[in-house]
Amino acid sequence: GAVVSQHPSRVICKSGTSVKIECRSLDFQATTMFWYRQFPKQSLMLMATSNEGSKATYEQGVEKDKFLINHASLTLSTLTVTSAHPEDSSFYICSARRQGADYGYTFGSGTRLTVV
Amino acid sequence: KNQVEQSPQSLIILEGKNCTLQCNYTVSPFSNLRWYKQDTGRGPVSLTIMTFSENTKSNGRYTATLDADTKQSSLHITASQLSDSASYICVVSAFDISGTYKYIFGTGTRLKVLA
Repeated sequence: GAVVSQHPSRVICKSGTSVKIECRSLDFQATTMFWYRQFPKQSLMLMATSNEGSKATYEQGVEKDKFLINHASLTLSTLTVTSAHPEDSSFYICSARRQGADYGYTFGSGTRLTVV
Repeated sequence: KNQVEQSPQSLIILEGKNCTLQCNYTVSPFSNLRWYKQDTGRGPVSLTIMTFSENTKSNGRYTATLDADTKQSSLHITASQLSDSASYICVVSAFDISGTYKYIFGTGTRLKVLA
């Protein structure tokens, strides 16, 4: 149990366009999901906490208008990178926590975004 | 200073050898400590989880230890395989001052196993 699906796994887009990444909890409901960014050879950096039915909470230094988060249902959160720039190229990972006994966070498989 | 420090930063070993990765943390109190394996280009996958009262936890060739007094944890990999090449991340979970459950990530250790 506790499977998180992330899509797409890879995406290449042109500068100035927007890209949407989906994160789904397949076998549990997640009122809270998390979005991370990971640079090469570095650990995960929390970008924002996605809350179902309310606004996301962004970490300091993360532009909320740049990285739009929508958590429309208990099983789906989306991250939209708007007006993408080459410096937005990175590995993006989502996670969700199953409520109840300490299931911890289950991570998606990640999305490699390349902006050209 | 990171609340969860890992060492070494990177490690290269020969296939079949054992190795031990270290994790020192300052988070207190904490809920539990996890070790994750992250293959290149993939999301982290949980290996072990320990509460503060547990000293050791095994998962196949992976054995994690925890010393809550010294705030240290280790991950021992026995008879390494090429597929063990990955980053290993120590994660401490705790409730912050507002009562929110948080994951605090370690800096990670990149392990490469050579044939």
